[in-house]
Amino acid sequence: GEDVEQSLFLSVREGDSSVINCTYTDSSSTYLYWYKQEPGAGLQLLTYIFSNMDMKQDQRLTVLLNKKDKHLSLRIADTQTGDSAIYFCAEGTDNYGQNFVFGPGTRLSVLP
Amino acid sequence: DVKVTQSSRYLVKRTGEKVFLECVQDMDHENMFWYRQDPGLGLRLIYFSYDVKMKEKGDIPEGYSVSREKKERFSLILESASTNQTSMYLCASSSFMNTEAFFGQGTRLTVV
Repeated sequence: GEDVEQSLFLSVREGDSSVINCTYTDSSSTYLYWYKQEPGAGLQLLTYIFSNMDMKQDQRLTVLLNKKDKHLSLRIADTQTGDSAIYFCAEGTDNYGQNFVFGPGTRLSVLP
Repeated sequence: DVKVTQSSRYLVKRTGEKVFLECVQDMDHENMFWYRQDPGLGLRLIYFSYDVKMKEKGDIPEGYSVSREKKERFSLILESASTNQTSMYLCASSSFMNTEAFFGQGTRLTVV
């Protein structure tokens, strides 16, 4: 079945860039997502990329997709303490009735 | 503003009790999902529904059932709560195109 993997922890210093990596197995994925979960809250969509794209940039966020290696990354420029959260990679298809598959989440800690 | 609302933020139940977790969405979405979230395991799909009265088992359906009598409401039922069902439960919904999942704030269930 589908599987999504991420490293569980990442620590960076405030002002540095953070890079969170993800690998997935389902080559039929149409969309790949990054969700953010702050303490005590549900998940909030940060950004997503269509599988026919290589890169997407949105302010401080850059998403890179290597479809051949099934590798997705999220880069956060100028990381701030407010970026401390758990980041989930997820894949999905546009097939009716299909569901999303999430990775285990990467806990990002931003040190002052 | 789109909204997925879970009926409780925190619940404490006794072993053997029947537990109902309710989720309501106001976006007229076709798809609704129940996940449980445990540290290091990410989100695991319990059940999803792509239409009223329709349901599909996810990865970990044992010990759970669901009900979708109306399009906006998706209920998760723990038939006889056990301590290993202590977890954070997240409800989500999406349109039939599955472009994005919207999440509720989560219910932290403790079974004692």
